[in-house]
Amino acid sequence: SQQGEEDPQALSIQEGENATMNCSYKTSINNLQWYRQNSGRGLVHLILIRSNEREKHSGRLRVTLDTSKKSSSLLITASRAADTASYFCATPPTSGTYKYIFGTGTRLKVLA
Amino acid sequence: GAVVSQHPSRVICKSGTSVKIECRSLDFQATTMFWYRQFPKQSLMLMATSNEGSKATYEQGVEKDKFLINHASLTLSTLTVTSAHPEDSSFYICSARNSHYGYTFGSGTRLTVV
Repeated sequence: SQQGEEDPQALSIQEGENATMNCSYKTSINNLQWYRQNSGRGLVHLILIRSNEREKHSGRLRVTLDTSKKSSSLLITASRAADTASYFCATPPTSGTYKYIFGTGTRLKVLA
Repeated sequence: GAVVSQHPSRVICKSGTSVKIECRSLDFQATTMFWYRQFPKQSLMLMATSNEGSKATYEQGVEKDKFLINHASLTLSTLTVTSAHPEDSSFYICSARNSHYGYTFGSGTRLTVV
């Protein structure tokens, strides 16, 4: 399976704390994307990082990419209860296909 | 921005019946749409790639006769679950690709087969 692994599978933190989620993938990539999914809803695109980038910021989100280790991390700073959701990384293989492969996801719960 | 509308959001059907799920790109044309299936607390698994005007490409292990995909226009793809059984109960999500907007996901359809 090409599916990536995410770690941890579940994370519970207090509001105001930082949340870090990790994603490992198996194939070479051109880019990696992070998505959020609220319970029972569709996916919301958070951020895309290209293979030649090492770090990217968007608001309270910080994404890193280490292509040598085939891993990425998503950091949410100063978490809020509204950040409670599942977070997935997604990668397209570099073969040119547009089929994104999703990681197993991290279920984040932010306690007020 | 790009919006993908998926309908219905929830559907309950009897075992043996067929259910159609629609995925529409509202403000852009999507030459390629994707259908995913998600089991509770699990990730999204790609079922098939839907190309406008041609046959869908199914992933290994997905029964094409059970999950019929039609992409008749640049803004609409449909997934029909035929002769549904309780094990087909799941969350189905579509996404549409556009060269300008990238990938946009629908809000999903929760199918319950009783």
